[in-house]
Amino acid sequence: GAVVSQHPSWVICKSGTSVKIECRSLDFQATTMFWYRQFPKQSLMLMATSNEGSKATYEQGVEKDKFLINHASLTLSTLTVTSAHPEDSSFYICSASYREKNIQYFGAGTRLSVL
Amino acid sequence: GNSVTQMEGPVTLSEEAFLTINCTYTATGYPSLFWYVQYPGEGLQLLLKATKADDKGSNKGFEATYRKETTSFHLEKGSVQVSDSAVYFCALSAGGGSQGNLIFGKGTKLSVKP
Repeated sequence: GAVVSQHPSWVICKSGTSVKIECRSLDFQATTMFWYRQFPKQSLMLMATSNEGSKATYEQGVEKDKFLINHASLTLSTLTVTSAHPEDSSFYICSASYREKNIQYFGAGTRLSVL
Repeated sequence: GNSVTQMEGPVTLSEEAFLTINCTYTATGYPSLFWYVQYPGEGLQLLLKATKADDKGSNKGFEATYRKETTSFHLEKGSVQVSDSAVYFCALSAGGGSQGNLIFGKGTKLSVKP
């Protein structure tokens, strides 16, 4: 149980385009979803936290207009990287929780490469 | 601020060897501590957790004890298997319940050879 699916697993795009990443909780209703970014050999850095039906809470230093998060339902959250640039290339990971926020279920991650 | 430091990998062991992956933390208050494991091609999975000092978390033969005096939560396993090859992340949650965002270490890659 508690499976989180993230799609796509890998995306390559041209600089200036926008990319949408989906995160779905397959067998539970997620009250909270999290988006992380991971650089090579670095830890996961929390980008934002979102609750269903409300605006996401972004961590300090994360551009809200660059990384658009939509949490439209209890099973789906999306992260849109707008006007992507090579420095946005990274590994993006989502997670979801339904009881305690510190018990999170993770997707397998999305590798974004911006050319 | 709150942070987690874990030993850098990669760690390479032979099957049935003893495993220790060190993890220390800095936090205000009384955090909860976690070990997550990421197998190749999969998302992070909770391996074990401890919510207060002297608690021991255990799962699948892995153990870690919450040591407040040394601010540590080292992961151990007495006899590793090839199937334990993965990346292990130590993490803390500085606030309980609804405030419990996770702070991760950098991860330690473990490779177990037959």
